[in-house]
Amino acid sequence: GQQVMQIPQYQHVQEGEDFTTYCNSSTTLSNIQWYKQRPGGHPVFLIQLVKSGEVKKQKRLTFQFGEAKKNSSLHITATQTTDVGTYFCAGDNQGGKLIFGQGTELSVKP
Amino acid sequence: GAVVSQHPSWVICKSGTSVKIECRSLDFQATTMFWYRQFPKQSLMLMATSNEGSKATYEQGVEKDKFLINHASLTLSTLTVTSAHPEDSSFYICSAREQGRHIQYFGAGTRLSVL
Repeated sequence: GQQVMQIPQYQHVQEGEDFTTYCNSSTTLSNIQWYKQRPGGHPVFLIQLVKSGEVKKQKRLTFQFGEAKKNSSLHITATQTTDVGTYFCAGDNQGGKLIFGQGTELSVKP
Repeated sequence: GAVVSQHPSWVICKSGTSVKIECRSLDFQATTMFWYRQFPKQSLMLMATSNEGSKATYEQGVEKDKFLINHASLTLSTLTVTSAHPEDSSFYICSAREQGRHIQYFGAGTRLSVL
């Protein structure tokens, strides 16, 4: 079945350093979505990427969708302690279901 | 953004009892709702897809008689964990999606502990 692989599983950074998490799907996706889950919380929608090669920015967050629509990345510039949490990518294969990556847990040391 | 309410947020029950979890879309009509299960430090695993007015579609390995899903209206879906056992203890999260849209909005989740 379809799989979405996400790396790294954990990332520990010093405040101010950059952070990147990567997702790769075994199949072409119609769109990919990114969610953030704070410790003890539930996933919160961040963004959706639909077009091949699309790049979107939200303040210090930059999201990319690969040309083949099979991979994606989330980059955070100059991390802050408020960025702590687990970041999930989720691929939509047009079947209507989201297949979640394993998530990347980000910790930020002040 | 759209709001999805999930209730209860936390429940402890004895082994053998049944637990009902409600998921409501508060400001939009959710033609499709999804139920996920999440173990500590792990990703979300889709259990079933619930379409209003029809039977839920369960993922492979999920017992439909164990996890009863009802989606009787465009704003409400329920998940009933029947005859719960300690291995059913987990974090259950619902999400809702508007017709024609791809974005899923998540409820706050329900932490189930079965003693």
